[in-house]
Amino acid sequence: SQKIEQNSEALNIQEGKTATLTCNYTNYSPAYLQWYRQDPGRGPVFLLLIRENEKEKRKERLKVTFDTTLKQSLFHITASQPADSATYLCAVDGQNFVFGPGTRLSVLP
Amino acid sequence: NAGVMQNPRHLVRRRGQEARLRCSPMKGHSHVYWYRQLPEEGLKFMVYLQKENIIDESGMPKERFSAEFPKEGPSILRIQQVVRGDSAAYFCASSPQSTGNSGNTIYFGEGSWLTVV
Repeated sequence: SQKIEQNSEALNIQEGKTATLTCNYTNYSPAYLQWYRQDPGRGPVFLLLIRENEKEKRKERLKVTFDTTLKQSLFHITASQPADSATYLCAVDGQNFVFGPGTRLSVLP
Repeated sequence: NAGVMQNPRHLVRRRGQEARLRCSPMKGHSHVYWYRQLPEEGLKFMVYLQKENIIDESGMPKERFSAEFPKEGPSILRIQQVVRGDSAAYFCASSPQSTGNSGNTIYFGEGSWLTVV
């Protein structure tokens, strides 16, 4: 069956370190994969989109990789700050968007 | 350019009542998606609509739930005879064109929080 998994429910890291979040998918063949941020009580906000023919995409302190062989995307936040604390969702683009369960990131000062 | 507008933000209903949630997509967007998020759970797809058409309702419960996106006016998600298990955040999103591996992203509203008492 189709499935999207994100590496852990919660991730705690120290301010200034790099946070790495994982998204694995099964039985999908997405041409695109997207990452969103969701703060408590708010709607998800689009961060980055990566195409299957792109190995890596960057935006400021964010970096996303997409390995279609491993069926995996990695999402990195470098020089993390407490303001980066949120839940991060990956989404696979198909007939409709299917989201992973999310990883709750806490950046500790 | 206003974003996706949802109302009400918070809604309290007694068991057995009806809940109507409204969503106005971003200007120029003709595709609307509804998602449900239960406490401490992920976003679950419910339904995808274009103007006057339901494209995919594979995530909608078979009973009590319906959705529409009329030619004029907002999209409506309607829940009849609500039960406690319907308590959740309901998010609407919109896109200018179909997704379907097209690379179009979707933009979310701030959600409608339904509490059934």
